[in-house]
Amino acid sequence: DAGITQSPRHKVTETGTPVTLRCHQTENHRYMYWYRQDPGHGLRLIHYSYGVKDTDKGEVSDGYSVSRSKTEDFLLTLESATSSQTSVYFCAISDAGDTGELFFGEGSRLTVL
Amino acid sequence: GESVGLHLPTLSVQEGDNSIINCAYSNSASDYFIWYKQESGKGPQFIIDIRSNMDKRQGQRVTVLLNKTVKHLSLQIAATQPGDSAVYFCAENSNRDDKIIFGKGTRLHILP
Repeated sequence: DAGITQSPRHKVTETGTPVTLRCHQTENHRYMYWYRQDPGHGLRLIHYSYGVKDTDKGEVSDGYSVSRSKTEDFLLTLESATSSQTSVYFCAISDAGDTGELFFGEGSRLTVL
Repeated sequence: GESVGLHLPTLSVQEGDNSIINCAYSNSASDYFIWYKQESGKGPQFIIDIRSNMDKRQGQRVTVLLNKTVKHLSLQIAATQPGDSAVYFCAENSNRDDKIIFGKGTRLHILP
């Protein structure tokens, strides 16, 4: 299995609080992605990174920010969590942006009350 | 691992039969397509991919067919086994960016 760990794996928080999810990889892959998964929507891309300090928006980036200060870590931040951000969040990595072989973490379940 | 109680279209197939899972894509600029499998409680796993200069690609027990005219992709699984029970996603990518966009998924249910 690809060396990807997500933390925390489960979090319950209240509306309006900040939340940061961390994705850590040991594969030295260039590309990192954050997706959210919700019933009826499948997986939707939030943000992705194509290198240290290089990030771009995905399909559903509003309300989220990311940072990548080193190759191995990609942080997803909800500045002020809302109930609509209750979801399962998956991090994925790839060593090439033009191929689809993403390796996924095990997901982080976030509940915003 | 995590999973989501997805309200998905479901395909029920008898064990040993072939399965065909279909996907329509919308972006005519997409030139690379991928199928992923997600088992309960896990993240998606890569199955097979195909580039737009191909119509068909075969792997071990799986075949992907691409019809660019109607923007349709299908995944065929031969001799379906209980371990094939999962949610299957198609995904697409354009070489103009590094975004990989997923479809909504289909649940494959294996009947004994």
